[in-house]
Amino acid sequence: DVKVTQSSRYLVKRTGEKVFLECVQDMDHENMFWYRQDPGLGLRLIYFSYDVKMKEKGDIPEGYSVSREKKERFSLILESASTNQTSMYLCASTPSGRPLTGELFFGEGSRLTVL
Amino acid sequence: GNSVTQMEGPVTLSEEAFLTINCTYTATGYPSLFWYVQYPGEGLQLLLKATKADDKGSNKGFEATYRKETTSFHLEKGSVQVSDSAVYFCALGMGGGTSYGKLTFGQGTILTVHP
Repeated sequence: DVKVTQSSRYLVKRTGEKVFLECVQDMDHENMFWYRQDPGLGLRLIYFSYDVKMKEKGDIPEGYSVSREKKERFSLILESASTNQTSMYLCASTPSGRPLTGELFFGEGSRLTVL
Repeated sequence: GNSVTQMEGPVTLSEEAFLTINCTYTATGYPSLFWYVQYPGEGLQLLLKATKADDKGSNKGFEATYRKETTSFHLEKGSVQVSDSAVYFCALGMGGGTSYGKLTFGQGTILTVHP
């Protein structure tokens, strides 16, 4: 069964702390994504990666960075957490086959609260 | 840029009622269209999709038809069940090679079905 695993379901951090959100997929997918989910705003793309060590900004990259050192792992980093980064963070992956299927495989999400 | 607009929620229905969740989109080119569902405490999963105009996607009793002339992809189900209670997201994706499978999502519609 396909699996995208996010390391933490719930986190509480303080303003200014550095935060790491980890995501691992076991499907050998090339493409991985980080979205944040907020009520009334849906899902917004923060960053994505289409290969190891490759990354591209999404629609709302400010305040975030990412790391992809291995194909199966994609990390989201908040260098200095702020209260407006309190949100649900969703990791997803998809293979690169042509045509693109459009099926993203999602993890269960990491709910981050910044105090 | 591309965008997706869903009807405002939440939607509350009685079991066996008819469901419609409206979705319209704006895109340059010819997108593929998707409905994703998020059950309580879970990540998103693909419900159905359509890749070209007039295609109908269907799954679990849900249907949606890709209408290019009205740029719409409304989700329908003839008789909802309590187990359909979830958040529903409409999304679009461009199939070109540089898209890497990333999707643009609507705001999400919360559906609650009462017995």
